[in-house]
Amino acid sequence: GAVVSQHPSWVICKSGTSVKIECRSLDFQATTMFWYRQFPKQSLMLMATSNEGSKATYEQGVEKDKFLINHASLTLSTLTVTSAHPEDSSFYICSATSGLAYEQYFGPGTRLTVT
Amino acid sequence: QKEVEQNSGPLSVPEGAIASLNCTYSDRVSQSFFWYRQYSGKSPELIMSIYSNGDKEDGRFTAQLNKASQYVSLLIRDSQPSDSATYLCALSPSTNTGNQFYFGTGTSLTVIP
Repeated sequence: GAVVSQHPSWVICKSGTSVKIECRSLDFQATTMFWYRQFPKQSLMLMATSNEGSKATYEQGVEKDKFLINHASLTLSTLTVTSAHPEDSSFYICSATSGLAYEQYFGPGTRLTVT
Repeated sequence: QKEVEQNSGPLSVPEGAIASLNCTYSDRVSQSFFWYRQYSGKSPELIMSIYSNGDKEDGRFTAQLNKASQYVSLLIRDSQPSDSATYLCALSPSTNTGNQFYFGTGTSLTVIP
C-alpha cells in the first residue's frame, strides 16, 4: 500500500515553455500533497504544500506564479512549471499523506531538464 | 525554525557490521520521527517511523528515540552493500496528519563488501 506515482519520470523542454508534472496516490486518498525540489547532491527543498480543494501554501522564495500547483482531487496533484528556464532544471518529487497516518510517501520523482 | 542535524558523512562500514546513524533536533515539541533511505538519483523511501521513546525494531533496522535528549538514531544490523545510500532523518512537529516534515541533510552510508 501507500503507492505514489509521478508522470513523467523525466522531461526535456525548451526554455520558455511550460511543463506539467502529475502526482497520483494510487491506493489511498491523499488529503495533503507536498512538492519538493532537489538539486544534485543537495537536500530536499520543500516548495509547497497542497490540500485537496484548497490553494497551495508556498514556501518562502518559491514563486507561486511560476510553479502552479493544483490539487483538484484526493488522488491527484499537478505542478506546472511555467516559462521554464535552465535554472529550473532539477529533480521534482511529490509526496502524499492520508488523513489516517502521519507518514509521507514519496513518488519516484520527475527529472526536468530545460535546454 | 525546526533544525534537524545529521552528520553528512560519508560513513563507511564493512559488510556485516552495524551501521549507526544519528540525528538531533532542536524543537522539543516534535512528536513524530521518520527515517528515509534515498539511493542516488532516486526519491526517498520510508524505512521507519517512531513516535514514542525507546526502540522500535523492523527486520535489520532499529530506530531509537530519546525525546529528553532530542535525538533519534537508526541502527542497521548485518549491513549489506545494498544498504549503501543516503539516510534522511525527518520530523513532524505535530500529532496531526498532513503536517510539513522537516528533513535533515542526510548521512551518506557506504557498506564495503
